[in-house]
Amino acid sequence: DTGVSQDPRHKITKRGQNVTFRCDPISEHNRLYWYRQTLGQGPEFLTYFQNEAQLEKSRLLSDRFSAERPKGSFSTLEIQRTEQGDSAMYLCASSLSGSGTDTQYFGPGTRLTVL
Amino acid sequence: QKEVEQDPGPLSVPEGAIVSLNCTYSNSAFQYFMWYRQYSRKGPELLMYTYSSGNKEDGRFTAQVDKSSKYISLFIRDSQPSDSATYLCAYMDTGRRALTFGSGTRLQVQP
Repeated sequence: DTGVSQDPRHKITKRGQNVTFRCDPISEHNRLYWYRQTLGQGPEFLTYFQNEAQLEKSRLLSDRFSAERPKGSFSTLEIQRTEQGDSAMYLCASSLSGSGTDTQYFGPGTRLTVL
Repeated sequence: QKEVEQDPGPLSVPEGAIVSLNCTYSNSAFQYFMWYRQYSRKGPELLMYTYSSGNKEDGRFTAQVDKSSKYISLFIRDSQPSDSATYLCAYMDTGRRALTFGSGTRLQVQP
């Protein structure tokens, strides 16, 4: 069990560019979540997958955001035409359904800075 | 009104003190209650999980839930400098998988 990993850990981009983040969940975890956290705030839910199906999306997930989990393993989160307001820490979490508590385990996050 | 209210701190205590962290919530659908700890520039890690009113103890940590008052607390006994972090309360309702977090309380334990 190597934990949830995210890549890259830091990303600096210019406004208007596209960025893509990757999340590798704990092996055998079938649920995967994306959250966004800004300075001084708690994480805010963006979206959730069970296996490869995207089952829930927050209204925070605008049309510029797209998430995929094509084979039910790793996931990518893409932000198109980045804006300065997208600067935040993007957190991924995973959990195992049917495990009782369905505890969400978080990765270290990808810190995005949009200049 | 925010769904979850949490005092941002910072809360500064001497080593060995008992720490009390609190959250209030407004959504009656919240059925599962969690406390996460987050060190600077790291992801949150789960400390405590409970789904019923009452107390749950794990080592130096005790989580307390009062559903009638919509109030949860985390107590840390014999606090250590290594406990210095931001503590986030989190909730989940039965119909969804998304966690709703408080804004976090920053705790500093002085040696």
